[in-house]
Amino acid sequence: AQKVTQAQTEISVVEKEDVTLDCVYETRDTTYYLFWYKQPPSGELVFLIRRNSFDEQNEISGRYSWNFQKSTSSFNFTITASQVVDSAVYFCALRGLSGGSYIPTFGRGTSLIVHP
Amino acid sequence: GAGVSQSPSNKVTEKGKDVELRCDPISGHTALYWYRQRLGQGLEFLIYFQGNSAPDKSGLPSDRFSAERTGESVSTLTIQRTQQEDSAVYLCASTLADSSYEQYFGPGTRLTVT
Repeated sequence: AQKVTQAQTEISVVEKEDVTLDCVYETRDTTYYLFWYKQPPSGELVFLIRRNSFDEQNEISGRYSWNFQKSTSSFNFTITASQVVDSAVYFCALRGLSGGSYIPTFGRGTSLIVHP
Repeated sequence: GAGVSQSPSNKVTEKGKDVELRCDPISGHTALYWYRQRLGQGLEFLIYFQGNSAPDKSGLPSDRFSAERTGESVSTLTIQRTQQEDSAVYLCASTLADSSYEQYFGPGTRLTVT
């Protein structure tokens, strides 16, 4: 069984603050993929990043960075110098490969509110 | 190219009526998923199609829910005898066959059952 936990239901910050969204996962698969998606107020989920279980390198893309640590089964997402446009619900997802299952497991999402 | 499209964008129906929701995936994407998202909640998996294989229906909440897909194109999700608890946004996503690939989501259909 797979499980994704996003313990932070809602985070509220002031613009320009850094913020980290936590994601902890459980899986018995040795090969799996982790994803982050953004769902802005408009409602359409947008893919942000994919990481496979064999690649623990951190990734930075502009103000976004991701920290993948297999030792703690975590895939945390940090936004540096947050902006109002970052306000959205962010979902972490996991897809393992056992049994040919291609159904991802999503966390419940973290709602980020960035105040001007 | 065009993304995933869904129609209608909004649907208001009376309790007990049947509804059909449509999803047009990205061309070339062999996998298609339906999810339900209740207000303020996460994504609830409903059904998964992969090419011509039998769909994975393990997420359908009751036999009032069904879905079809023609080949690797359009899919319809049908809810019969709608109930108020069916009110939600229904999201469709498509992806390339390989499970490593990310999903591309449509804008969703907001269903309100009165």
